[in-house]
Parts: sequence; C-alpha cells; structure tokens
Amino acid sequence: EAQLLESGGGLVQPGGSLRLSCAASEFIFSNYAMSWVRQAPEKGLEWVSSIGGTGSDTYYADSVKGRFTISRDNSKNTLYLQVNSLRAEDTAIYYCAKDQFRENGRFDAFDIWGQGTMVTVSS
Amino acid sequence: DIQMTQSPSSLSASVGDKVTFTCRASQSITTYLNWYQQKPGKAPKLLIYTASSLQSGVPSRFSGSGSGTDFTLTISSLEPEDFATYYCQQTYSSPLTFGQGTRVEIK
Repeated sequence: EAQLLESGGGLVQPGGSLRLSCAASEFIFSNYAMSWVRQAPEKGLEWVSSIGGTGSDTYYADSVKGRFTISRDNSKNTLYLQVNSLRAEDTAIYYCAKDQFRENGRFDAFDIWGQGTMVTVSS
Repeated sequence: DIQMTQSPSSLSASVGDKVTFTCRASQSITTYLNWYQQKPGKAPKLLIYTASSLQSGVPSRFSGSGSGTDFTLTISSLEPEDFATYYCQQTYSSPLTFGQGTRVEIK
C-alpha cells in the first residue's frame, strides 16, 4: 500500500526557514506528480505547490511564490519543500499528497496523503 | 485564479438522511472537480474524482455529479462515520484551489 511520511516541521521564528520532507514508499515515485497542501488551525485546505515526476515542472500558490521551493529526489523517493521567510500566516499542518494517476500532463486528484507535519511560526 | 464556493458551510443531519451539498466554480472547469472527506485530526481522503467517478474503496452511497461550474456531492443515506468536513477541489488549472468546506454535523 502506497504511503507518505512527512517530517521536518517545528517551531520557527518569523523570517526563519525549514525544509520539509516527505518519504514515499510502495509506489514508483518518479512516475507521479506530487504536491504540498497546508491547513491552518481550524481552517480549510490550501494548495501550496506541485511538482512533476521529473522535477522540471513546478507550480506555486501566489501566497508562497518566491519564498517556498518544491523539489524531489527520485533516487531517494523523497519530496521536499524548502520554506523561507516564514510568516505567522504560514502556521499550518503541511501535507504531502500523491497524484492519482501516472503523470499525464494534467493535474489529477490526490489519492494518497501523508499524516502531515506541523509548522508553527511564532516569536 | 478559479474560486471554488461550497454551500452550505455546515449542515445538521441524522443517520439515514440523504444529504446533498454543492460546489460552484467561478469559471468552467469541465469535470476537473474532486471531493475529499476530512475527519478531525486526520488527512483528507479522496472520495470522488473528475466530478462523478467513485474512488476505489469508497462506499457507493457517495456520488458526485455536475460539469462546467456547478457540482454536487450526495450521500444517499448518512452513516455515523460520514460526519466530517467535505471539500471540493478543482484541478483544471493552476493554482489548484479548494472550496472552504461543508461540515456535516449530527442533528
């Protein structure tokens, strides 16, 4: 059964940085686009970023563009999100998610989600 | 950006009820519309993809319909485990966007 496991969250001061990781298992990681979705406390879901299977195509929400960088290491079956210049409004659970279908040039639904990693931005 | 608006934001229902809630896109997204269920403290779970296709393992009491800008998710007979928050998501174009959610509560 495909699984995703996030790590790297924590408490960071405003302006600080973190690198979130998402370890994938039980599926051919390089065949699928991957995404990050976040959820602020007691709020709804917000898509953050997506990356194609080869890593060459990346997409970002306007709210994080220029501050966050998505990447992947297919040799390690791991997805990353480098988060810089953090603000209080970035406080959220960050989920990684797998595209439902093998990469096909379209955006697909997210069929597998990790359990999330909490990022708290506070002084 | 495509805005997704769900209604109602919450509803109260009883076990056995049929419930329907809606999701409206600010422009046509053809059928690039997905539905997720989220329970407190858990990650979202995919229920319906491309507007009306039931995800493997999801009970048949869940169904989706619609195209263009207007979509619905129907639960034909509520079970206790269905009390949760439901989100729609468009995957027609980036930025991918979610609706604000519909919370289904026990009456």
